[in-house]
Amino acid sequence: KQEVTQIPAALSVPEGENLVLNCSFTDSAIYNLQWFRQDPGKGLTSLLLIQSSQREQTSGRLNASLDKSSGRSTLYIAASQPGDSATYLCATWNTGNQFYFGTGTSLTVIP
Amino acid sequence: DAMVIQNPRYQVTQFGKPVTLSCSQTLNHNVMYWYQQKSSQAPKLLFHYYDKDFNNEADTPDNFQSRRPNTSFCFLDIRSPGLGDTAMYLCATSGYGYTFGSGTRLTVV
Repeated sequence: KQEVTQIPAALSVPEGENLVLNCSFTDSAIYNLQWFRQDPGKGLTSLLLIQSSQREQTSGRLNASLDKSSGRSTLYIAASQPGDSATYLCATWNTGNQFYFGTGTSLTVIP
Repeated sequence: DAMVIQNPRYQVTQFGKPVTLSCSQTLNHNVMYWYQQKSSQAPKLLFHYYDKDFNNEADTPDNFQSRRPNTSFCFLDIRSPGLGDTAMYLCATSGYGYTFGSGTRLTVV
């Protein structure tokens, strides 16, 4: 069974700093990997999806990379803003329509 | 435009009183999912449908049922809610990646 781990569990940074969130997974046989953002009490908003054949995806200040062989993905956030404060979840999509979530990283950007 | 819509956004129900949560999608995706998310935890899959083929997770309590009358709609029925069922319930579909609804926050009192 796939296990998805996110480190750190919580991160606090000053505004303007660049930061990296980490996601690791045990089973490299994935269709894709998706990064989500979740604000308190809200649903999940998709940020980036990386297909298994891709190495990275970019959207604005966000860049996600995927290294299947090592079972790792990173989410890079440039020039962080207070509005980026949220919980960030990564998830892998495996065979059989199985979707496995990490436990998330809670990010606080301090003005 | 919202593509996965969950109603209601907030629901308070009494211990043991049946409750139904609804989800609709405009994406025409075959696969729909129900997740339960408790505070500070990752979402936990309850069940999913591939078209009308229902797939129950092994550890989903019998208290939880689901219906999918057509492609667009899916319902989560909790027959006798307990205090431990207080959580956010998330509906999702999958096509190119996952699309989630905004969730229903259920409180059992």
